[in-house]
Amino acid sequence: QITLKESGPTLVKPTQTLTLTCTFSGFSLSTSGVGVGWIRQPPGKALEWLALIYWNDDKRYSPSLKSRLTITKDTSKNQVVLTMTNMDPVDTATYYCALRAIFGAVTNWFDPWGQGTLVTVSS
Amino acid sequence: DIQMTQSPSAMSASVGDRVTITCRASQGINNYLAWFQQKPGKAPERLIYAASSLQSGVPSRFSGSGSGTEFTLTISSLQPEDFATYYCLQHNSYPLTFGGGTKVEIK
Repeated sequence: QITLKESGPTLVKPTQTLTLTCTFSGFSLSTSGVGVGWIRQPPGKALEWLALIYWNDDKRYSPSLKSRLTITKDTSKNQVVLTMTNMDPVDTATYYCALRAIFGAVTNWFDPWGQGTLVTVSS
Repeated sequence: DIQMTQSPSAMSASVGDRVTITCRASQGINNYLAWFQQKPGKAPERLIYAASSLQSGVPSRFSGSGSGTEFTLTISSLQPEDFATYYCLQHNSYPLTFGGGTKVEIK
């Protein structure tokens, strides 16, 4: 069974750096084709893709947030970490991590997802 | 960036209705599109991948079609558990982009 779970602070102050951890089980981030992505959703709004890291350490970022984001992996701990600098109230959102993998001939994008973690940015 | 325009943004429908949701891409994305369902307070769940392939375990009343720039999610007979918000995702190129969502409400 594949599971992912996000963890991190629920409240951060403006200008602070947010660090979120995605801890997963049921797959390995050292397997060819595997990636873990981060997606966020402000309250009542749509989903927004943030970043993705692949098994080979290739990293992709949303251009609009690239200067503020860093994604890393710790394969031995089955964790992916996302950091976002200079947090602002508009960054208040539920942050999700999700699996990207290849099963046979099919590339599986974002299934499953973690339960999400709500991060509020406020002084 | 590829923009995904989803329509309608919201709709009211009755149990048993046929529901169609559309996503239009600002440029061709082949069939690199997925559909997700999200219920309040829950994470999204994938329904359709590769534009028209049904995720394992998803009821057959859900179907997807399209290629290139226009894609459709159809629910053939809406059930009470289908009232939710639906999103499309293009993964043809980075940055990955989601549609704005379609909220399906009870009429």
